[in-house]
Amino acid sequence: DGGITQSPKYLFRKEGQNVTLSCEQNLNHDAMYWYRQDPGQGLRLIYYSQIVNDFQKGDIAEGYSVSREKKESFPLTVTSAQKNPTAFYLCASRPGDRANYGYTFGSGTRLTVV
Amino acid sequence: KNQVEQSPQSLIILEGKNCTLQCNYTVSPFSNLRWYKQDTGRGPVSLTIMTFSENTKSNGRYTATLDADTKQSSLHITASQLSDSASYICVVTFLLTSGTYKYIFGTGTRLKVLA
Repeated sequence: DGGITQSPKYLFRKEGQNVTLSCEQNLNHDAMYWYRQDPGQGLRLIYYSQIVNDFQKGDIAEGYSVSREKKESFPLTVTSAQKNPTAFYLCASRPGDRANYGYTFGSGTRLTVV
Repeated sequence: KNQVEQSPQSLIILEGKNCTLQCNYTVSPFSNLRWYKQDTGRGPVSLTIMTFSENTKSNGRYTATLDADTKQSSLHITASQLSDSASYICVVTFLLTSGTYKYIFGTGTRLKVLA
């Protein structure tokens, strides 16, 4: 079945550590996105990529980094510079940037700082 | 400022009852509006998409309406089931001057259906 796979489902990070969240899709979608979801807030865009080897900052990119070396993969690294990383992280993909293309979301990774 | 506001924040209904969720937006220029359903601990799944010229669209027991003049949308759930318990998120798309699209997510309505 085609879809987006995020791993791990739960992740615990110690203060000062970098952690990487995995996102893989087999939908042959060009565009991939990382969103952060906090209670009582709408999804906020961290980074997005519309093509391999290219990505753009979203609204809250500080403290995060990404790479897009393969079309299928868009990992997100949460660095120690991110002061409040505890949140639910969602990866999504779309066929392209046309407005009528909907998102396909992964099942999310819940990151907790311990 | 481009914003998407949803109400109520949370809602509890009995199984079999109907309910209506609201989404108001101040986004311009409007391109389309989607409703997503998000089960707890899962990613959102698209229910409906509506463009400027569409007033209503149905997906099974879910019916979305759009009034582009007042910039309001609603999602009506008929004969609710326990499996409808989830968060419902309204997402509005608009066109930037750069020619790319931007997506603004509402904060969602958390629906709980009780037996």
